[in-house]
Amino acid sequence: SQKIEQNSEALNIQEGKTATLTCNYTNYSPAYLQWYRQDPGRGPVFLLLIRENEKEKRKERLKVTFDTTLKQSLFHITASQPADSATYLCAHCPNSGYALNFGKGTSLLVTP
Amino acid sequence: DTGVSQNPRHKITKRGQNVTFRCDPISEHNRLYWYRQTLGQGPEFLTYFQNEAQLEKSRLLSDRFSAERPKGSFSTLEIQRTEQGDSAMYLCASSSIGGADNQPQHFGDGTRLSIL
Repeated sequence: SQKIEQNSEALNIQEGKTATLTCNYTNYSPAYLQWYRQDPGRGPVFLLLIRENEKEKRKERLKVTFDTTLKQSLFHITASQPADSATYLCAHCPNSGYALNFGKGTSLLVTP
Repeated sequence: DTGVSQNPRHKITKRGQNVTFRCDPISEHNRLYWYRQTLGQGPEFLTYFQNEAQLEKSRLLSDRFSAERPKGSFSTLEIQRTEQGDSAMYLCASSSIGGADNQPQHFGDGTRLSIL
């Protein structure tokens, strides 16, 4: 079955460093991936979308890469800030429809 | 753009009772989705509407669950005869119809359901 996986362990980093989160997929080749941020008690908020023919996408301090050979997307936050602390979700729409298939998310904690 | 609105934000009910949640999507969005999220998991798809038509339902959506979107505007999700396992955050999202099937979805802040 199509699977999208994120590192379930929380990532703790120091303010100012670059955070790198991983999203792996198996048994299919998504045409694109979406990344969302979710704060406790809130709904996910869309951040970035990357297509399979795009190696890299940037938005301010955020960067997403898409490696179809490794079947992996990396999400980077440069010059991280405590306000970046949240859960980050990777998602794809399977071929069967328009619903998003989410990973479990990775919790990021940025400490001063 | 007032965002996606969900009501109520919290619902506590006894097992066996029926509950209904409401979602008001972003006004110009044709597509509306319902997801369920439990602690430590990503959102799981339940059902999807395009305008008033319910186009897809997940296998997670048992017979006790029903969703409607009359007139293609707001949507309701009803759970009948609630069970302990129904305790979760119920999220609604909406999106526009774009050139491809990859439009970002805009989420509400969910309704947290607790079954006693």
